[in-house]
Amino acid sequence: QKEVEQNSGPLSVPEGAIASLNCTYSDRVSQSFFWYRQYSGKSPELIMSIYSNGDKEDGRFTAQLNKASQYVSLLIRDSQPSDSATYLCAAQDVALGKLIFGQGTTLQVKP
Amino acid sequence: NAGVMQNPRHLVRRRGQEARLRCSPMKGHSHVYWYRQLPEEGLKFMVYLQKENIIDESGMPKERFSAEFPKEGPSILRIQQVVRGDSAAYFCASSQAGGTEAFFGQGTRLTVV
Repeated sequence: QKEVEQNSGPLSVPEGAIASLNCTYSDRVSQSFFWYRQYSGKSPELIMSIYSNGDKEDGRFTAQLNKASQYVSLLIRDSQPSDSATYLCAAQDVALGKLIFGQGTTLQVKP
Repeated sequence: NAGVMQNPRHLVRRRGQEARLRCSPMKGHSHVYWYRQLPEEGLKFMVYLQKENIIDESGMPKERFSAEFPKEGPSILRIQQVVRGDSAAYFCASSQAGGTEAFFGQGTRLTVV
């Protein structure tokens, strides 16, 4: 059973700090990885995709991928209270093509 | 370009009735996922479809649940003889191909009374 693991949290950081969200995956040949943000009562929203080892930056968000360690992370710089949400990591199941989601990490940014 | 459209947004059914949830993917997308989410819980994979083909239904309960994605028209998730435990948010997502970026609809909140 291919899996994506996340710490459920909550992860609490003060406003202005860097929030670091982590994810590991079991499918060694996965090539595509995604981070989604879900506010309470809303649907998941895609915020980052990453396909190559290294860092990918988009505004205050940086996704990091290490395929050798089967590890994906999301850094949020200058965290804002509006960033408080559940962050879902997803990895591709290469055999079937579908996306496998982790359980999500709840982030709380305190003013 | 319209996003993923789900309807209805809210659905109330009495125990024993059928629930039919619709999902129209984004233009150009031929792959559809269905997920179920209970309050304060994660997304539970149900089924992954391509037009006219079920690719993976390993998350679908063996009875009462079925899904289709016809050549024309929306994808349909059908729940027969609903029970209170079926009450949840059902999300649909679509992608251009397997493993590419998937975008979610607003979800259908099913309440069984």
